Amino acid sequence: SSELTQDPAVSVALGQTVRITCQGDSLRTYYALWYQQKPGQAPALVMYGKHSRPSGIPDRFSGSTSGNTASLTITGAQAEDEADYYCSSRDRTDKYWMFGGGTRLTVL
Amino acid sequence: QITLKESGPTLVKPTQTLTLTCSFSGFSLTTGGGGVGWIRQPPGKALEWLALIYWDDDQHYSPSLRSRLTITRDSTNNKVILTMTDMDPVDTATYYCAHNDFGAHYFDYWGQGALVTVSS
Repeated sequence: SSELTQDPAVSVALGQTVRITCQGDSLRTYYALWYQQKPGQAPALVMYGKHSRPSGIPDRFSGSTSGNTASLTITGAQAEDEADYYCSSRDRTDKYWMFGGGTRLTVL
Repeated sequence: QITLKESGPTLVKPTQTLTLTCSFSGFSLTTGGGGVGWIRQPPGKALEWLALIYWDDDQHYSPSLRSRLTITRDSTNNKVILTMTDMDPVDTATYYCAHNDFGAHYFDYWGQGALVTVSS
């Protein structure tokens, strides 16, 4: 399969932990990339590699993979984490990129 | 500091060809300089990767849009150009260009995006 599947929407209470998942065959070969997009803004990389965060991304963001499922976990979600989250990966032929359908995170 | 900025028409008619330019600074598309990709997002919808060009002119395209896309680089002037032929209203989207670090799979710096509307 050349697709990445995400749940359309997830909600979390302020300060609680939330996991956003992404499924796809390519994730057995490549680590997922995770992007955060707030309304009216360009996407921003928040997680890459096994569990690497770009400079400036809080350590409450963490990543993991099991089989064909990658997860982005936010431990102690804050109001500013409310956004759309997209997973991404190279395809298994390493020729092109894919994005998941996105997950809208609501912080209650 | 890496920056990218998209430019091009805001409105194109169906069947026309779209030409978008990504002007960048803070890196060079020469030896070992990584790459620049294009990603689009229809209003209210998900991101879709379109194309990428590396410093060595290696080009990659979305399989579903390959026949309509051409990506080129002007390394001297720090620009990357994307052309998309036979535009249709479903191609209405915000088009982003983004930097791909050499040897990495991620896009670490993004332009602000350019909204292109396809309408007669």
